[in-house]
Amino acid sequence: DQQVKQNSPSLSVQEGRISILNCDYTNSMFDYFLWYKKYPAEGPTFLISISSIKDKNEDGRFTVFLNKSAKHLSLHIVPSQPGDSAVYFCAARSSSGGSNYKLTFGKGTLLTVNP
Amino acid sequence: DTGVSQNPRHKITKRGQNVTFRCDPISEHNRLYWYRQTLGQGPEFLTYFQNEAQLEKSRLLSDRFSAERPKGSFSTLEIQRTEQGDSAMYLCASSLRHLNTEAFFGQGTRLTVV
Repeated sequence: DQQVKQNSPSLSVQEGRISILNCDYTNSMFDYFLWYKKYPAEGPTFLISISSIKDKNEDGRFTVFLNKSAKHLSLHIVPSQPGDSAVYFCAARSSSGGSNYKLTFGKGTLLTVNP
Repeated sequence: DTGVSQNPRHKITKRGQNVTFRCDPISEHNRLYWYRQTLGQGPEFLTYFQNEAQLEKSRLLSDRFSAERPKGSFSTLEIQRTEQGDSAMYLCASSLRHLNTEAFFGQGTRLTVV
């Protein structure tokens, strides 16, 4: 039962264009969402997060949008750079209950930015 | 280096052998987590420590797996009688005990059981 879904295994964009990575979730208790970037043979690196009380969070070239009614979030990278090529994981957490520390991850999307 | 450190980075072992991995979290972080990632999947939660107390174990963690965090500092994950299905990347992460704070991951230990 995949509670966090990243339905696009891969995405290819040209350098300088916008990259949009999508994530859907099914658990309505999730109220904090994070994006991690992962290079081969390395651990995930935190990129950006958003709380469910917001619908947008921006950090430099990275913006995360949250649509709670649709249970959907997206990560926008603009402009995309070749160094952004990596696997991007969407993760979610619930602050209620006893497991407010546990992250549930999607399967990831491999982003390739072509020069 | 103040990041999460994991050792070894790679481990190849024969089926049936025991292996132990170590994780040194960021020093001021009182929460420590172990995740496992297999090919084509995202990281899956295994277990969680708050200081030295192990507060949750996933059903993924069979009785062949044991984790400790003595004195609330570094942590070890031991797998006894390894099986080929244990081959995966084992990731350790740590965080502060606050809501809406991110977990920082180590580089992982890649286990291959032959």
